[in-house]
Amino acid sequence: GEEVAQTPKHLVRGEGQKAKLYCAPIKGHSYVFWYQQVLKNEFKFLISFQNENVFDETGMPKERFSAKCLPNSPCSLEIQATKLEDSAVYFCASNDGNRWDTEAFFGQGTRLTVV
Amino acid sequence: SQQGEEDPQALSIQEGENATMNCSYKTSINNLQWYRQNSGRGLVHLILIRSNEREKHSGRLRVTLDTSKKSSSLLITASRAADTASYFCATGTGANSKLTFGKGITLSVRP
Repeated sequence: GEEVAQTPKHLVRGEGQKAKLYCAPIKGHSYVFWYQQVLKNEFKFLISFQNENVFDETGMPKERFSAKCLPNSPCSLEIQATKLEDSAVYFCASNDGNRWDTEAFFGQGTRLTVV
Repeated sequence: SQQGEEDPQALSIQEGENATMNCSYKTSINNLQWYRQNSGRGLVHLILIRSNEREKHSGRLRVTLDTSKKSSSLLITASRAADTASYFCATGTGANSKLTFGKGITLSVRP
């Protein structure tokens, strides 16, 4: 598609439940990035992929968070056993990776509320 | 403090006035980007400036970059009510690297 598509738009989970978020990058884009935005403040980088391979996972919490980008499927970010502090908007972005300074295109985000 | 610190944190101006927002960063970069976010929605890319560039224009936007001072400024000329949004600077350090964002500036343009 011509835009980064994130689903669902809103997700409510009870503490301890699992949350799974999806991202379809722009067609032809080989890099996918996940960011977390808490309370409309700064964006925290979580993880990036080059096609189906993890490119940079330096921001990924060691526990409970996992992500995948499999061929012919939307990328996913999964949070096991959610905590109240996981409440945030999760943004996915993609770029084509053809230039060293290419811009990233962001989706509209998934708002996760943990109650 | 965070890479990509913007100032001021909030700015309120009258329609038609110019808005200037500043961003400072700490590490070496190869590009700096400005994004706009409306009401917690997705980020819209405004402009990218490379580390070897000093100034760039796009419509009513003007961005400067001073790598010696590790700072950038975004100027929006002849502001409109529709420019009301949060503005973030973000730095990239290498090919397809993650972006490091600042805390953002809330701009309010009064009609």
